[in-house]
Amino acid sequence: AQTVTQSQPEMSVQEAETVTLSCTYDTSESDYYLFWYKQPPSRQMILVIRQEAYKQQNATENRFSVNFQKAAKSFSLKISDSQLGDAAMYFCAYRSYTGTASKLTFGTGTRLQVTL
Amino acid sequence: DTGVSQDPRHKITKRGQNVTFRCDPISEHNRLYWYRQTLGQGPEFLTYFQNEAQLEKSRLLSDRFSAERPKGSFSTLEIQRTEQGDSAMYLCASSFPPFDGSSYNEQFFGPGTRLTVL
Repeated sequence: AQTVTQSQPEMSVQEAETVTLSCTYDTSESDYYLFWYKQPPSRQMILVIRQEAYKQQNATENRFSVNFQKAAKSFSLKISDSQLGDAAMYFCAYRSYTGTASKLTFGTGTRLQVTL
Repeated sequence: DTGVSQDPRHKITKRGQNVTFRCDPISEHNRLYWYRQTLGQGPEFLTYFQNEAQLEKSRLLSDRFSAERPKGSFSTLEIQRTEQGDSAMYLCASSFPPFDGSSYNEQFFGPGTRLTVL
């Protein structure tokens, strides 16, 4: 079974600064997807960024980028030019590349605070 | 609004009572997922449907839990004889199915139903 670990329960960043959230995972599969989801307080979870394991290039979405290290099974999220609206719980998630379920396996989350 | 909706948003019940939650997926999404999120944890997969067929159930889904999607549209999750350990946020998500076994379609999440069992 796959596991996802987020070792930072809370992080804080000043507005306009950069912050990196860490995620490690364990799997015996060679092909899979990795995701970062954002869950704002009392609001629904939304997808921030996705990485396919077979792609060597790190995914980027505007101010969000990842550092995907397949051999180390590491998948960190970098948020540049942090904004107050970035404050939320961030979850790292894993999905097998094949199979019918496409269920997501989540980490325990990192709460990001953004200060002025 | 064309997002995933869930009803109710909050439910408080006494131990031993039955509760039922509803999820309305994004129209045309024929995959529907249920997850449970306890305090301080990430969501955990419970079950999923493709159309009206329930294709997978997690071992977390004890025999007190039952999920249905009778017409392949909305889904209900019922918990019988609730226990305090059932207190959690119950999340629903929907997506299109993969075009093939390896492709990906984003799961869109609803706001969740927060259950408190006293």
